[in-house]
Amino acid sequence: QVQLVQSGAEVKKPGSSVMVSCKVSGSTFRSFAIIWVRQAPGEGLEWMGGIIPLFGTSHHAQKFQGRVTFTADGSTSTSSTTVYLELKSLRSEDTAMYYCARDPGFNHGYRGFCDHWGQGTPVTVSS
Amino acid sequence: DIQMTQSPSSLSASVGDRVTITCQASQDIANNLNWYQQKPGKAPKLLIYDASDLETGVPSRFSGSGSGTDFTFTISNLQPEDIATYYCQQYDTFPGYTFGQGTKLEIK
Repeated sequence: QVQLVQSGAEVKKPGSSVMVSCKVSGSTFRSFAIIWVRQAPGEGLEWMGGIIPLFGTSHHAQKFQGRVTFTADGSTSTSSTTVYLELKSLRSEDTAMYYCARDPGFNHGYRGFCDHWGQGTPVTVSS
Repeated sequence: DIQMTQSPSSLSASVGDRVTITCQASQDIANNLNWYQQKPGKAPKLLIYDASDLETGVPSRFSGSGSGTDFTFTISNLQPEDIATYYCQQYDTFPGYTFGQGTKLEIK
């Protein structure tokens, strides 16, 4: 079955960068996408963007322009692949739980929904 | 970005009740809408996709309807395990997918 396992909690200083990983296994769809969603404490869900690991193509919400990068480990195996989120120039407002989730994909693009989720990675930005 | 307005922001209902949540999009999104359930301390879970299609394994008491700008999510016969926050999410405009602000559901 599909599993997404994320890296552990991070504590960062303002102005620094953070990288969160998400290991995906068991997906039978080769051209799936990995979406990143974050949730500030006590707040709602915020869609950040995603990457299609098979092609290495990524897209992000305009709000994160210039600060966020999504990468994949280049594996084309259906058994597992790891994707990464890097967020730069951190500020206190970036303190949140970061989730990765699988979009099953459609016609080499995004299907639009997330049917499997990682457990979340808490990121705290504090001086 | 397309704005998604959910209502109510919170509600309290009794076991066995029928519960309805609405979501309004700031522009026509056809049927490009999903509904997720999030329990405290857990990742969201997909319940409904394409506005009205039930995700595999999700109980049939959950349903969704609507198209264009107005959407409805319904739980018939509310169960104690349905305590959660529910979110709508549009996927009409890429890469600007957006969520509603959420509806917190409590049991009376």
